[in-house]
Amino acid sequence: AQKVTQAQTEISVVEKEDVTLDCVYETRDTTYYLFWYKQPPSGELVFLIRRNSFDEQNEISGRYSWNFQKSTSSFNFTITASQVVDSAVYFCALSEPDTGRRALTFGSGTRLQVQP
Amino acid sequence: DSGVTQTPKHLITATGQRVTLRCSPRSGDLSVYWYQQSLDQGLQFLIQYYNGEERAKGNILERFSAQQFPDLHSELNLSSLELGDSALYFCASSVDTGSTGELFFGEGSRLTVL
Repeated sequence: AQKVTQAQTEISVVEKEDVTLDCVYETRDTTYYLFWYKQPPSGELVFLIRRNSFDEQNEISGRYSWNFQKSTSSFNFTITASQVVDSAVYFCALSEPDTGRRALTFGSGTRLQVQP
Repeated sequence: DSGVTQTPKHLITATGQRVTLRCSPRSGDLSVYWYQQSLDQGLQFLIQYYNGEERAKGNILERFSAQQFPDLHSELNLSSLELGDSALYFCASSVDTGSTGELFFGEGSRLTVL
């Protein structure tokens, strides 16, 4: 079974629309860390956020917000008032240090296209 | 700029050949990770080194090997290359063993095997 599932392969929106990228994870550990990374067309991977399993507080950073719900094993990412520059592939990732899986396990990514 | 440097950025070679990819981590980071990104496999973790020692192994083929040198730079060696090895290879670094902190990624080395 996939440890990190991003069911949305590709999403297309028009500029200024809000968009939510879904991430569902699977782990038996009580201590784990969740991440979101952005991969713009230029190819590099850019860190966006890290969340540990004991902190379910939602976070907002400008137009970006994250909703972490342990009850549904989800860590969703919302972009408010999307812009063309948000066009990228977004990856959700999980690390499980207690079981030795310190390296990040990535989901398959969601390609977001923001049309002008 | 993440501070992680990878060379070469692009590499084209033939099947059966051997190549070496190089990575310089961010200043002060002790951990280096290698990931492979291909269209069909996504982002796959290959191997991690921490302060010169192998720390974790992922889906790394036996034809591939890596090492981290005393100055903390790392090299990923790919041998007996096959068409399916064509991919973007990322190096990442972190200050610790990577269990809690974010990884900082280089721009990647794009390998094309013809």
